[in-house]
Amino acid sequence: AQSVAQPEDQVNVAEGNPLTVKCTYSVSGNPYLFWYVQYPNRGLQFLLKYITGDNLVKGSYGFEAEFNKSQTSFHLKKPSALVSDSALYFCAVRDGSSNTGKLIFGQGTTLQVKP
Amino acid sequence: DSGVTQTPKHLITATGQRVTLRCSPRSGDLSVYWYQQSLDQGLQFLIQYYNGEERAKGNILERFSAQQFPDLHSELNLSSLELGDSALYFCASSDVPGQGAKLFFGSGTQLSVL
Repeated sequence: AQSVAQPEDQVNVAEGNPLTVKCTYSVSGNPYLFWYVQYPNRGLQFLLKYITGDNLVKGSYGFEAEFNKSQTSFHLKKPSALVSDSALYFCAVRDGSSNTGKLIFGQGTTLQVKP
Repeated sequence: DSGVTQTPKHLITATGQRVTLRCSPRSGDLSVYWYQQSLDQGLQFLIQYYNGEERAKGNILERFSAQQFPDLHSELNLSSLELGDSALYFCASSDVPGQGAKLFFGSGTQLSVL
């Protein structure tokens, strides 16, 4: 069975500082990994995905994520945080051995960027 | 705007009642997914349909059912509602359910069971 863990309920950073939101995964086949962001009273918005290839994936709004197969991790990063980045972030995985398109999501991490 | 439309945005009902949540996927998307978001359970996958057929089932209660119609819109039916069913229900859609396909989410239906 596939699963995702986001070990931090909340991450606090100061504006202008780098941020990292952690994610680890477990799948039986090849992992297909995604990050989504949710703003208050809104649906989830796609940020980036890893399918294959370069371990560093660049996405929307200056975010990037690093895939590490040996550590089964897919951490979300941004070099310089903005107050407007404050939101709920979800990591998700799709098992490559599955024939469905469903994504399994982590519990979410609240990012709080303080001015 | 993701292109996925969910109605209604808010629903308030009583225990024991039945409700129907509606989802219109993005134009051309064949797959529809339903998720439930609650504070204690997080974002839980309920069920997926592809071109009218059930493709995958997750943690969906027997009191809940869904279907996808020929025009590709989908409905999630919740019956014998309990207080614990109060949650935000999301619909998402994608085109071909390939491994790289991303899901596009609607704004959700906030269900409150009183």
